[in-house]
Amino acid sequence: GAVVSQHPSRVICKSGTSVKIECRSLDFQATTMFWYRQFPKQSLMLMATSNEGSKATYEQGVEKDKFLINHASLTLSTLTVTSAHPEDSSFYICSAKAGGRADTQYFGPGTRLTVL
Amino acid sequence: GESVGLHLPTLSVQEGDNSIINCAYSNSASDYFIWYKQESGKGPQFIIDIRSNMDKRQGQRVTVLLNKTVKHLSLQIAATQPGDSAVYFCAEKGWGSTLGRLYFGRGTQLTVWP
Repeated sequence: GAVVSQHPSRVICKSGTSVKIECRSLDFQATTMFWYRQFPKQSLMLMATSNEGSKATYEQGVEKDKFLINHASLTLSTLTVTSAHPEDSSFYICSAKAGGRADTQYFGPGTRLTVL
Repeated sequence: GESVGLHLPTLSVQEGDNSIINCAYSNSASDYFIWYKQESGKGPQFIIDIRSNMDKRQGQRVTVLLNKTVKHLSLQIAATQPGDSAVYFCAEKGWGSTLGRLYFGRGTQLTVWP
């Protein structure tokens, strides 16, 4: 149980284009989903928290107009990197948490984004 | 958890030995703690968690110890295997956090030698 998927697993795009990453909870309903970014040999850096049906809460320093997050259903959240630039190249990981008193976040396999 | 840094602590153990990975956390009001294992190029995988009303919890080959007095968390892996080689992250959740945000430590690279 508690499986989270991400799609695509890796993507290469040209500078200036937009890329959408999907995060799905496969066997539970995720009231809250989180989006992280990770650089090589570093810890996870939280970008934003999204609750189903409401606007995402972005961490300080994360541009909400550049990293668009939509959490339209209890099993799907999307992250769109708009007008991507080479410095946006990174490993993006989502996690999902059930509602109520559940605290455990279950992570997706990550998406490797390379912007040329 | 510890602040994010550029240098990843490392731990090398021989196959079959026990491993102990340590983590110092910062918020005395944190009420939930969790350990993740992350293999190269993959997302973090849940290992074990513990609430602040406990000081020890055991899983299969793993034990988490919580010392709230000194704000210290440890993960013990018994009979470490080559497949245990990965980066291990501890994370904490603040009491009363409505969104359930986790604060991650910087991770420890565990290498298991045959």
